[in-house]
Amino acid sequence: AQSVSQHNHHVILSEAASLELGCNYSYGGTVNLFWYVQYPGQHLQLLLKYFSGDPLVKGIKGFEAEFIKSKFSFNLRKPSVQWSDTAEYFCAVNHPNSGGYQKVTFGTGTKLQVIP
Amino acid sequence: NAGVTQTPKFRVLKTGQSMTLLCAQDMNHEYMYWYRQDPGMGLRLIHYSVGEGTTAKGEVPDGYNVSRLKKQNFLLGLESAAPSQTSVYFCASSYRDTAQNTGELFFGEGSRLTVL
Repeated sequence: AQSVSQHNHHVILSEAASLELGCNYSYGGTVNLFWYVQYPGQHLQLLLKYFSGDPLVKGIKGFEAEFIKSKFSFNLRKPSVQWSDTAEYFCAVNHPNSGGYQKVTFGTGTKLQVIP
Repeated sequence: NAGVTQTPKFRVLKTGQSMTLLCAQDMNHEYMYWYRQDPGMGLRLIHYSVGEGTTAKGEVPDGYNVSRLKKQNFLLGLESAAPSQTSVYFCASSYRDTAQNTGELFFGEGSRLTVL
């Protein structure tokens, strides 16, 4: 079965620090990869996504992620975090399934707390 | 530009009571999903639907029923609520999986349910 691992459950950073959140998945075939963000009290929103092409993907608010196929990883990065980045971040993997539903598997999430 | 709308946003139930959560989307998406979010467990799929009149079980379907009588609506029912069903429930929708549409989910704002 497909699984997604997020190794950091809770990360605390000071403003301007660099961020890297790890994400590894288990499925060996073609996958689509996503990072979603959930700000306190809000719904999940798409941060960035990878389907094909350049493995370095840029998203909103200065976030980026790199797909490394050989490592089954899709780590999220940001050079300098802000207090407003305090949120929970979810990595997700979709196995393209023509004619079927979107089989999206989510990681358990990483809570990021940015201290002013 | 409503997107995905869930009602109610908050509800407190007593054990054994029944209730229905309503999800409505105005994006003409074929697929709809109900997830539950619990601390440290990420999002888990309860039920999903690939089109009007069709539903299927996800990872954690026990204790829940769903219906999709109209394309834009997806209802989640609890026939006899249990304390283990205390959670935040998220509805999501997406396009059919094609070369152009690759699995991005659009989420509602969530419904917080407490079962006493």
